[in-house]
Amino acid sequence: AQKVTQAQTEISVVEKEDVTLDCVYETRDTTYYLFWYKQPPSGELVFLIRRNSFDEQNEISGRYSWNFQKSTSSFNFTITASQVVDSAVYFCALSEATGSGGSNYKLTFGKGTLLTVNP
Amino acid sequence: AAGVIQSPRHLIKEKRETATLKCYPIPRHDTVYWYQQGPGQDPQFLISFYEKMQSDKGSIPDRFSAQQFSDYHSELNMSSLELGDSALYFCASSLGSGGQETQYFGPGTRLLVL
Repeated sequence: AQKVTQAQTEISVVEKEDVTLDCVYETRDTTYYLFWYKQPPSGELVFLIRRNSFDEQNEISGRYSWNFQKSTSSFNFTITASQVVDSAVYFCALSEATGSGGSNYKLTFGKGTLLTVNP
Repeated sequence: AAGVIQSPRHLIKEKRETATLKCYPIPRHDTVYWYQQGPGQDPQFLISFYEKMQSDKGSIPDRFSAQQFSDYHSELNMSSLELGDSALYFCASSLGSGGQETQYFGPGTRLLVL
């Protein structure tokens, strides 16, 4: 069974601080895909990034950066110079093959981390 | 860019009533997924369709059924509603059903069962 653990339930920071959200996953698959989604108070799920198991390059997009380390099964997310608008629940997810043919996929989510950025 | 459309956005029903949730995927997307998110919980996979055929079922109650139509939109039908069905229901779509395909989520339908 596949599992995603986000050990930090809630994090509170002051604006302009850097913050890292942790994600640890478990899988027996050799090929897998990891995602981060943001869920602001309005409720929608916003896609942030996808990473496949073959690509351990870190990625930076503006104030966001991701650190994927296969050796520790971690896919951590850092927000630099946080802003109030970053306040949201952040979910890490693992794409899991389902069905007898293994060709269908569903997302298994972690429990999410509630990030509050205070002015 | 066009996004996933879900309707209605909010729905209030009584126990034992039925509800139908609709999902219109991003144009050209052929795969639809349904997820249920209870209060304070993470989204849980319910069911998925690829090219109008059911591709997999998750923790979906027998009281629920779904289908994908020829225009690729999908409907989730929920009968004999229970209080515990109150949740946010998301539809997501992707181009193809492979694991590498990003699932883009709609805004969700917030269902309240009284």
